[in-house]
Amino acid sequence: TQLLEQSPQFLSIQEGENLTVYCNSSSVFSSLQWYRQEPGEGPVLLVTVVTGGEVKKLKRLTFQFGDARKDSSLHITAAQPGDTGLYLCAGGRNSGNTPLVFGKGTRLSVIA
Amino acid sequence: DAGITQSPRHKVTETGTPVTLRCHQTENHRYMYWYRQDPGHGLRLIHYSYGVKDTDKGEVSDGYSVSRSKTEDFLLTLESATSSQTSVYFCAITTGPNSPQHFGDGTRLSIL
Repeated sequence: TQLLEQSPQFLSIQEGENLTVYCNSSSVFSSLQWYRQEPGEGPVLLVTVVTGGEVKKLKRLTFQFGDARKDSSLHITAAQPGDTGLYLCAGGRNSGNTPLVFGKGTRLSVIA
Repeated sequence: DAGITQSPRHKVTETGTPVTLRCHQTENHRYMYWYRQDPGHGLRLIHYSYGVKDTDKGEVSDGYSVSRSKTEDFLLTLESATSSQTSVYFCAITTGPNSPQHFGDGTRLSIL
């Protein structure tokens, strides 16, 4: 059972366009993290959101945690080729040593 | 980023041979994880450790074993490699189960 569903799986857009990717679940998470992974490297943390309704901005990237802490979105404004990569969300369950749950990711390609 | 190192970075071996991958950290983090990453499957947790000699299975643990005899090293062993274990393997470290994970650069393993 995939606890975190990410959509779309693939996205190819032109430079300068806006986009939103989603991370959805039927489960409640204590926190939600977003990572970006570039080819040949491991994922790198972008942001952590912990409060329902929380919005965080990182330059042109805006992250939102759903009010019920079951979903999250990542919005990119005026996408650049440097935004190309695999975007992964991961949820924390705050239960003993239980590890994070990762979604399968959204692969973004920004064409110049 | 020297906090986490995976070795080897690349390996080609034959079906039926034993293989050991090493993850070494200099951050003194308690938690360490082994993932495999395959197209269409995202990151899948193999095994994790929450302290020296304390390990537990992830969702795809069959055919893999781990050992953690000291804080800085987490070893992943394929006792008898199979072609289905061809993948990119990532190690990650963190201070807590819900805290952001810091990933290594991965090991690309090919089993012929």
